[in-house]
Amino acid sequence: KAGVTQTPRYLIKTRGQQVTLSCSPISGHRSVSWYQQTPGQGLQFLFEYFSETQRNKGNFPGRFSGRQFSNSRSEMNVSTLELGDSALYLCASSSGTYTEAFFGQGTRLTVV
Amino acid sequence: QKEVEQNSGPLSVPEGAIASLNCTYSDRVSQSFFWYRQYSGKSPELIMSIYSNGDKEDGRFTAQLNKASQYVSLLIRDSQPSDSATYLCAVNRDNYGQNFVFGPGTRLSVLP
Repeated sequence: KAGVTQTPRYLIKTRGQQVTLSCSPISGHRSVSWYQQTPGQGLQFLFEYFSETQRNKGNFPGRFSGRQFSNSRSEMNVSTLELGDSALYLCASSSGTYTEAFFGQGTRLTVV
Repeated sequence: QKEVEQNSGPLSVPEGAIASLNCTYSDRVSQSFFWYRQYSGKSPELIMSIYSNGDKEDGRFTAQLNKASQYVSLLIRDSQPSDSATYLCAVNRDNYGQNFVFGPGTRLSVLP
């Protein structure tokens, strides 16, 4: 069974640009969550999508947005990039309610 | 007070010893708890999930949950050098979806 796939693995962007990250969950999983990991703040929850609807949202500015498609694949978009957005972005998939979450390999975003 | 706290590391134990990792959380309504292992430069890997008070064993790992004390622990028996990693405690704030709060992690070193 294939795991969670995130693309791309690495990205370098310039301040002010926007970026889109992609996540394909484990087959059959309907929930996709996104996290930001930085050395200073650790792992922080961004948002969760379930059946194409945002079900939970963390405490991040509106520059961070996401969506989920009918095949459960999800994208995360960050607009007007800031240097502080440099981080490892992780997505996690789960089968749905109240269950374990499995992480992808992450996308390392560097903003210069 | 942070939502999820873990014992500060790094924690060093000799090979073959028991490693004890602790986690406390502040939100009493949380119902699901997880331990993840993260090797340097890698994404978090799920080790254990626990939902009910008491112990849950899986191989060399035992998770313990005490909701009254808002305390979760992970014991690693017969520690191996390959267990050297950062261990993350995660608490799900949402009983219906995914909204994990992660602790800062405890770095474990198992000395040969």
